[in-house]
Amino acid sequence: EAGVAQSPRYKIIEKRQSVAFWCNPISGHATLYWYQQILGQGPKLLIQFQNNGVVDDSQLPKDRFSAERLKGVDSTLKIQPAKLEDSAVYLCASSQGPLGGTNEKLFFGSGTQLSVL
Amino acid sequence: GENVEQHPSTLSVQEGDSAVIKCTYSDSASNYFPWYKQELGKRPQLIIDIRSNVGEKKDQRIAVTLNKTAKHFSLHITETQPEDSAVYFCAASIRDQAGTALIFGKGTTLSVSS
Repeated sequence: EAGVAQSPRYKIIEKRQSVAFWCNPISGHATLYWYQQILGQGPKLLIQFQNNGVVDDSQLPKDRFSAERLKGVDSTLKIQPAKLEDSAVYLCASSQGPLGGTNEKLFFGSGTQLSVL
Repeated sequence: GENVEQHPSTLSVQEGDSAVIKCTYSDSASNYFPWYKQELGKRPQLIIDIRSNVGEKKDQRIAVTLNKTAKHFSLHITETQPEDSAVYFCAASIRDQAGTALIFGKGTTLSVSS
């Protein structure tokens, strides 16, 4: 079974520039998450999608971050304009359904490492 | 907001010793508690999980225990090997009217020396 795919693997930009990350979840997984992992910390939830709808974006800094999952499969996360403190690994994860289900598990992609200079 | 505390932040053991990592959570409605292993530069990998209807679960050298009353759960690794060296994260499910997601601890860096 193919895993969660993410690209690019690395990205270096200057502050105030824009950047976009792409994620393709495991086939058939309806729930998709974007997490931000700052060096030395655990992943922090940014946004959760169920199919093509946003379930929870309460932790997303909406003045600069946006995300979409138009057809309920792939997703993109955008930052515009980037700040120095956005330097982190952006992890995409997916599960077949909501994690409250009996046998649901969360699988992560390899992440995009963003450096903002 | 909901919180997961993880201890210790670093743990050094000799090969063959046991390692224990402990987590506490704040949301009494949490019902799913996975553990992830993350090697340097790689994705977090699910290594074991437990749901609230079970007190203990074991898979070869790793085990997880859950005490719902005290709201804490622990990862136990026996007969540690150098390849167990990594950062380990605990997580707890949170559910609000928006959906269900995982809240992660800050991680424990485990070093196993031979």
